[in-house]
Amino acid sequence: NAGVTQTPKFQVLKTGQSMTLQCAQDMNHNSMYWYRQDPGMGLRLIYYSASEGTTDKGEVPNGYNVSRLNKREFSLRLESAAPSQTSVYFCASSEFGRDLNQPQHFGDGTRLSIL
Amino acid sequence: GQQVMQIPQYQHVQEGEDFTTYCNSSTTLSNIQWYKQRPGGHPVFLIQLVKSGEVKKQKRLTFQFGEAKKNSSLHITATQTTDVGTYFCAGKVYSSASKIIFGSGTRLSIRP
Repeated sequence: NAGVTQTPKFQVLKTGQSMTLQCAQDMNHNSMYWYRQDPGMGLRLIYYSASEGTTDKGEVPNGYNVSRLNKREFSLRLESAAPSQTSVYFCASSEFGRDLNQPQHFGDGTRLSIL
Repeated sequence: GQQVMQIPQYQHVQEGEDFTTYCNSSTTLSNIQWYKQRPGGHPVFLIQLVKSGEVKKQKRLTFQFGEAKKNSSLHITATQTTDVGTYFCAGKVYSSASKIIFGSGTRLSIRP
């Protein structure tokens, strides 16, 4: 069972470059999420998609855009990467639940460094 | 702003000792979830609490949700080396459609 698959696993970018992080899930989940995790901190929600066709901002959306391509795929784009965006990015998915109250399944993460 | 505080940040125990991490919110939560992240890994869902005063057990792990739904705790009895990792709580703020807030986590290390 693949679960939630993220690509790439590692990436190094220069300031100002753009990049798209890919995420796909095979659990037929309706809701998908993007988080960032910085050292010593918990996960912070960047964007989420409660169901196919909808996306909403989370806690830290600035500098990012998302696309819910279909039910399986949810991508995160950095248009002009900044050193402050150096982080580990996790994608997650869950069953659709009122108030986003369903357990989330996480991918293995993308370790992104911006020089 | 709305925050979920988690203490302690680190805990180093002797194998066999107990461990507790606490999660406190400045606002009422509609539910709280607990996750475990092994070093270099990704968060894995452990449990969800929804009701005021709820207590749930999973073998050596006991989870509690406070009466006011603003705090929660995870207690591990007789820790084992397999318990090593960071434990996160994640709360859904009652009044907001989008606010899932993770605590900063408690990193547990164990001396064999």
